[in-house]
Parts: sequence; C-alpha cells; structure tokens
Amino acid sequence: AQTVTQSQPEMSVQEAETVTLSCTYDTSESDYYLFWYKQPPSRQMILVIRQEAYKQQNATENRFSVNFQKAAKSFSLKISDSQLGDAAMYFCAYRIRRDDKIIFGKGTRLHILP
Amino acid sequence: GAVVSQHPSRVICKSGTSVKIECRSLDFQATTMFWYRQFPKQSLMLMATSNEGSKATYEQGVEKDKFLINHASLTLSTLTVTSAHPEDSSFYICSASNVNNYGYTFGSGTRLTVV
Repeated sequence: AQTVTQSQPEMSVQEAETVTLSCTYDTSESDYYLFWYKQPPSRQMILVIRQEAYKQQNATENRFSVNFQKAAKSFSLKISDSQLGDAAMYFCAYRIRRDDKIIFGKGTRLHILP
Repeated sequence: GAVVSQHPSRVICKSGTSVKIECRSLDFQATTMFWYRQFPKQSLMLMATSNEGSKATYEQGVEKDKFLINHASLTLSTLTVTSAHPEDSSFYICSASNVNNYGYTFGSGTRLTVV
C-alpha cells in the first residue's frame, strides 16, 4: 500500500529562522511525483513545491527547498527565513505517474513565532 | 493560469434536503476532477474521481447514491449531497488535474453545515 507519513503534527519556528518538515513515503513504484502543499487558515490548498522522482536534483522555489532521498523514501521541506505568512498546515503528497490519485499525509501545522 | 473556482464557499441546509457544489476550471480543460472531504484538523480524504463524460469512480466507503457526481463538460464537475444529514457537515474541496504541474489545482472549498 502506498502511504505518506508526516511524523510531526505541529512545529514552531521563530520568524526569520529555518525549519524543516519531515515526510516519508512507502511505495514500490519507481516513477512518481512528490509534492508539498500549504493550507493557510483560508483553507485554500496551494502548491509549494514539486519533485519528479527521476530527477536527482532537489527542487527549489525561492525560500522553499526539498531534500529528496529516493532510496530512503524521504522528502523533507526546508523553509528558510520563515515569515509570518508561512503559518499554515503543510501536507506532503505523492502521486504515481500512471495514476491520477494524489495521496496526502496527515499534515504538519507550522506556527511562526514573531 | 490554472484557476479552479468552487461555489458556494459556504452553505447551510436543512436535514433531508440536497445541496449542489460546483467546481469549474476557468482557464484550462480538466478531463479529470477530484472531490475531497476534510474534517477539522485532518487531512484531505479523497471521495471520488470525476471523469468527463463517464461515471465517477468512488473510493471505498463513499456512498455513491448519497454523493452524486456529474462531470458533464471539460470545465465543470458538480457534487450533490442528497438527503443531507448533520453528519455530512464538513469541508468539501475539489481539484482538477493540471498537466502543467503534474499535480492539481484546488478549488477554495465549500463549508457545508446541515442543521
């Protein structure tokens, strides 16, 4: 079965500091995509970053970067220079290429301390 | 680009009535749309996959006669909650497959309250 595990239900970080959110997944597939989605209080799901499994280079989007360890099936999200607007629920998600379904982790609630 | 509009954002209905939620892709065609349910402080639970021109595929445990899905065009999918009960109160979110980012674009969600 394909699963996505986020072991940190909640995390806090001081404004301007760096925080890393953990995510592991279980799959027997070799061709898949990984995502981090952000859900702020408005509850709008926003794509933060994505990673194709065949790419070895870690994806980066401005202050957001991932550490993709394919062999370990780990996909952590690093947020640098944390801002108050980063406060949200963050979901790690996985999708195999040949299937339309996205599987979500249970989420990590991130608090930004001023 | 890649905007998904979901309406209504909030709806309150009486027990026993039906409620329709619309999900539209505004600037792209979506042959596949998805409907999720989210309980407070929990993750998104996939309810069904909506395919244009064909019957929806429901996840295990989701009552297809209660949650009617119609995907009549490449830009519109609807979810109708029939004979609503208070336990159907929840946050419902749609998403559309977007070939540009391999992921999905989400609607803004609908908060349904059944009284």
